Amino acid sequence: GQNIDQPTEMTATEGAIVQINCTYQTSGFNGLFWYQQHAGEAPTFLSYNVLDGLEEKGRFSSFLSRSKGYSYLLLKELQMKDSASYLCAVNTGTASKLTFGTGTRLQVTL
Amino acid sequence: GAVVSQHPSWVICKSGTSVKIECRSLDFQATTMFWYRQFPKQSLMLMATSNEGSKATYEQGVEKDKFLINHASLTLSTLTVTSAHPEDSSFYICSALGASDHEQFFGPGTRLTVL
Repeated sequence: GQNIDQPTEMTATEGAIVQINCTYQTSGFNGLFWYQQHAGEAPTFLSYNVLDGLEEKGRFSSFLSRSKGYSYLLLKELQMKDSASYLCAVNTGTASKLTFGTGTRLQVTL
Repeated sequence: GAVVSQHPSWVICKSGTSVKIECRSLDFQATTMFWYRQFPKQSLMLMATSNEGSKATYEQGVEKDKFLINHASLTLSTLTVTSAHPEDSSFYICSALGASDHEQFFGPGTRLTVL
């Protein structure tokens, strides 16, 4: 089966840095995605990692270690609008299907 | 580019009725689309893979006779929830597979409430 784990909830302060971890055990691997989802809305794409290492995009960075089955999403200079759920998803390589993790609800406070 | 729309954005229906949800890729062609369901405070669960011109592939535990999927063109897939019951109330989200064959573009979702 497929297993993707994330912390359920996190809280961080505006202006701070937060790291959201994701561990996975899947039957196949063809890349890992991070999405942001505000309540009642569809997910929006943040990042994609298929090779080991760090991908940086503005305030957001994502890291992947395939040997460890581990990824993290790093958010810098947190803003109130970053309060949302962050979803880790693995492309298992089977017909391009995505398996989503449980999602991490991030609350940014003043 | 890569915009996906869904219609309707929300729908309320009586128990026992059928509801059709449309998913359209507006500026690209998608031979493959996906249908997800999301219950409150839970993550997205893949229901089925919709393939243009062929039968959909359903995930384990999803009733194909209850959730009818039709992908009649390269820009449109429809999901029909037949004989809807209150437990089918959920947020239904579609996505379309882009040309890169790994990136999915998500629609805005349809909130279904069955009374």
